[in-house]
Amino acid sequence: GAVVSQHPSRVICKSGTSVKIECRSLDFQATTMFWYRQFPKQSLMLMATSNEGSKATYEQGVEKDKFLINHASLTLSTLTVTSAHPEDSSFYICSAQGQEGYYGYTFGSGTRLTVV
Amino acid sequence: GQQVMQIPQYQHVQEGEDFTTYCNSSTTLSNIQWYKQRPGGHPVFLIQLVKSGEVKKQKRLTFQFGEAKKNSSLHITATQTTDVGTYFCAGRTAGTASKLTFGTGTRLQVTL
Repeated sequence: GAVVSQHPSRVICKSGTSVKIECRSLDFQATTMFWYRQFPKQSLMLMATSNEGSKATYEQGVEKDKFLINHASLTLSTLTVTSAHPEDSSFYICSAQGQEGYYGYTFGSGTRLTVV
Repeated sequence: GQQVMQIPQYQHVQEGEDFTTYCNSSTTLSNIQWYKQRPGGHPVFLIQLVKSGEVKKQKRLTFQFGEAKKNSSLHITATQTTDVGTYFCAGRTAGTASKLTFGTGTRLQVTL
């Protein structure tokens, strides 16, 4: 089945630094990937849609300059949290739609970001 | 914007009891998906419903899509401790391409 690999799984960084999170589709090509943010015991909030070879589409209220998304190939999308602050601490998850005929989205294992 | 609400927020049952979570969208959906997220884990796709009034079963799980395509439900018969987790519905509306809007989720706790 479709597999999405996401890393790192956990990262602790200092305030003001940047963190890059990678999301890879291992056995399929994903022209579109999605980035979500999830606070404890809450739902998944879509941050942006990552499109291979073009600019990402951000949801309302999500700062483009703070959450940089790059989708340089059909199997890799990255999310960079720039100038991180404690309020950016959260669980970030990527997802992609698998091969034709499989309508569900496959999620990466998520990245727990803690900014200190 | 589109909102997808689920009730209850949390339910605690004893093993063997049934469980149902309800999902309601503020707009008509083209299809709806259900996901399960175990504590500390990531969402895992369970099923997709497309047709009005559709009912699908997966062993002890029964999924239903409302006639108006604005609500859905997931029913688990005779819960087991392995059913513990948060169940999310996620809806897609026409014209929004692949974008899913996740429901608020229902957290299920099952004890012996």
